[in-house]
Amino acid sequence: DQQVKQNSPSLSVQEGRISILNCDYTNSMFDYFLWYKKYPAEGPTFLISISSIKDKNEDGRFTVFLNKSAKHLSLHIVPSQPGDSAVYFCAAVAGTSYGKLTFGQGTILTVHP
Amino acid sequence: ETGVTQSPTHLIKTRGQQVTLRCSSQSGHNTVSWYQQALGQGPQFIFQYYREEENGRGNFPPRFSGLQFPNYSSELNVNALELDDSALYLCASSPALGGTDTQYFGPGTRLTVL
Repeated sequence: DQQVKQNSPSLSVQEGRISILNCDYTNSMFDYFLWYKKYPAEGPTFLISISSIKDKNEDGRFTVFLNKSAKHLSLHIVPSQPGDSAVYFCAAVAGTSYGKLTFGQGTILTVHP
Repeated sequence: ETGVTQSPTHLIKTRGQQVTLRCSSQSGHNTVSWYQQALGQGPQFIFQYYREEENGRGNFPPRFSGLQFPNYSSELNVNALELDDSALYLCASSPALGGTDTQYFGPGTRLTVL
């Protein structure tokens, strides 16, 4: 039962353009969402998060949008840079009692110079 | 400030053996979680420890067990290894118990079961 899904295994984007990574979830108890970035041979690194009471959160080049009715979130990276090439995971938390993260399968982003 | 460290980096075991993986939390963090990441998948939650007590567990059998020590370092023990246990094992520490507290991941231990 995949409660968090990233349906695009990979995405290729030109440097300077926008990267849009998508994530869908099925569990309506999820109320906090995060994006992590992972380089080879490193652990996931926290990127940005959003609470279910918001529909948008922005941090520099990174913006996360949440559509609760559609159970969908997306990560926008503008402008994309070659250093952004990595695997991106979305994750969700149900309640704030403890930090069990439920991850999607990941999307490999490649930004071409 | 030292980040989350894990040892060993790689490990090869045979089916039926037992393995212990170690994690050193980031300074000041009292919560540690363990995740299993199979090839091509996202990390899956195994369990979480808070102040040396198991605080939550994912869908993993009892042969997966853990410990957290007073200095907040942690161990993941897996008994009776199976081929499907081959994966990257990640630990993550956070400064508090809440679900919104950022979890900081270590680089992982790659376990291969033959």
